[in-house]
Amino acid sequence: EDQVTQSPEALRLQEGESSSLNCSYTVSGLRGLFWYRQDPGKGPEFLFTLYSAGEEKEKERLKATLTKKESFLHITAPKPEDSATYLCAVQAADDYKLSFGAGTTVTVRA
Amino acid sequence: GAVVSQHPSWVICKSGTSVKIECRSLDFQATTMFWYRQFPKQSLMLMATSNEGSKATYEQGVEKDKFLINHASLTLSTLTVTSAHPEDSSFYICSAPTAWNEQYFGPGTRLTVT
Repeated sequence: EDQVTQSPEALRLQEGESSSLNCSYTVSGLRGLFWYRQDPGKGPEFLFTLYSAGEEKEKERLKATLTKKESFLHITAPKPEDSATYLCAVQAADDYKLSFGAGTTVTVRA
Repeated sequence: GAVVSQHPSWVICKSGTSVKIECRSLDFQATTMFWYRQFPKQSLMLMATSNEGSKATYEQGVEKDKFLINHASLTLSTLTVTSAHPEDSSFYICSAPTAWNEQYFGPGTRLTVT
């Protein structure tokens, strides 16, 4: 069974204080690893899909990286509007459904 | 990015009644859509895979007779919660993958059963 573990559960940052979120996974053949941002009461917002170890993708202050066992979401010089829950999900090679981790709730103080 | 809509955004119903939730891909076609539920401060749990033109595939522990799924067209999937009870109150979210395997989520539907 696919397993996704995210750490830490919560992260409180000062504005401008860069940090990283971790997503460890076990899956029987990885088709893709997904990162989403979710604000309270809303559906997840797509950020990135990573497909192979060594791949990196960037979007504004966010950068996602992938190894064979884990992925990191780096937040550079965060702003208060980056406050959200960040979700990681894996997609196995033999299916298109996603298995989600519990998420990391990031709070950025001005 | 692609857009997925859901209707209604929130609904309150009485125990024992049925509620239908629509999920639409607005600017792309999706032969497959996914339905999730999310309880407060928890992550998304996949309920079922909706397949256009064929039966839905349900995850273990999800009652197929209670959560009826119909994928009527390449842009529309519906989830009907039959004989709803208070324990069915939750946040229901759908997603649809594009041809490039980017999965986009709808805004969610808040269901409250009284």
